[in-house]
Amino acid sequence: DAKTTQPPSMDCAEGRAANLPCNHSTISGNEYVYWYRQIHSQGPQYIIHGLKNNETNEMASLIITEDRKSSTLILPHATLRDTAVYYCIVSDSGGSNYKLTFGKGTLLTVNP
Amino acid sequence: GAVVSQHPSRVICKSGTSVKIECRSLDFQATTMFWYRQFPKKSLMLMATSNEGSKATYEQGVEKDKFLINHASLTLSTLTVTSAHPEDSSFYICSARGFSGRRRNEQFFGPGTRLTVL
Repeated sequence: DAKTTQPPSMDCAEGRAANLPCNHSTISGNEYVYWYRQIHSQGPQYIIHGLKNNETNEMASLIITEDRKSSTLILPHATLRDTAVYYCIVSDSGGSNYKLTFGKGTLLTVNP
Repeated sequence: GAVVSQHPSRVICKSGTSVKIECRSLDFQATTMFWYRQFPKKSLMLMATSNEGSKATYEQGVEKDKFLINHASLTLSTLTVTSAHPEDSSFYICSARGFSGRRRNEQFFGPGTRLTVL
């Protein structure tokens, strides 16, 4: 069972910021929040992950609420190539039972 | 990011034959590799987890005798679909998890293999 809840779809205008929300109210203290995306007919692509602090890399920013029950992935300047299904996953990366369980994700459509 | 390759990218076979799919981590060593299956318009479903040098752990409902997994080295895992049937037609995706350095605890995915069983 996926431990996260995401909206099934979102639209964003090209060049604007895309903010993708994720609820993970049952996250435990040692679980990380991971974001992956999957462009049609390709393998998932790692975007970013974090534990409790906000994170930023060349692809995106991850904002995690103080209580860690939700997070937001931000694509600062969306392009048409960012159209994909975005998956938010929580997992204990250091545990012996580590695995990534994919939910249904959010289909982000970037419009010209 | 790290590179994980799969071969072949797509395969078409006759019902009853066996198909082997290779998954390689090209620029890092992976103690753990994962195999997923994805049906059209569905999410990825984890099939099994394999650790180098040991038997794979299969998820509930996945037949271990039908989906044979071998993880003989830190850079290669194979999935063999035995006696394939049309219902096995799917998109098979592997991923690898690094165990040291910058790759530690990160999981990278291959491009997937499209299997069609006639």
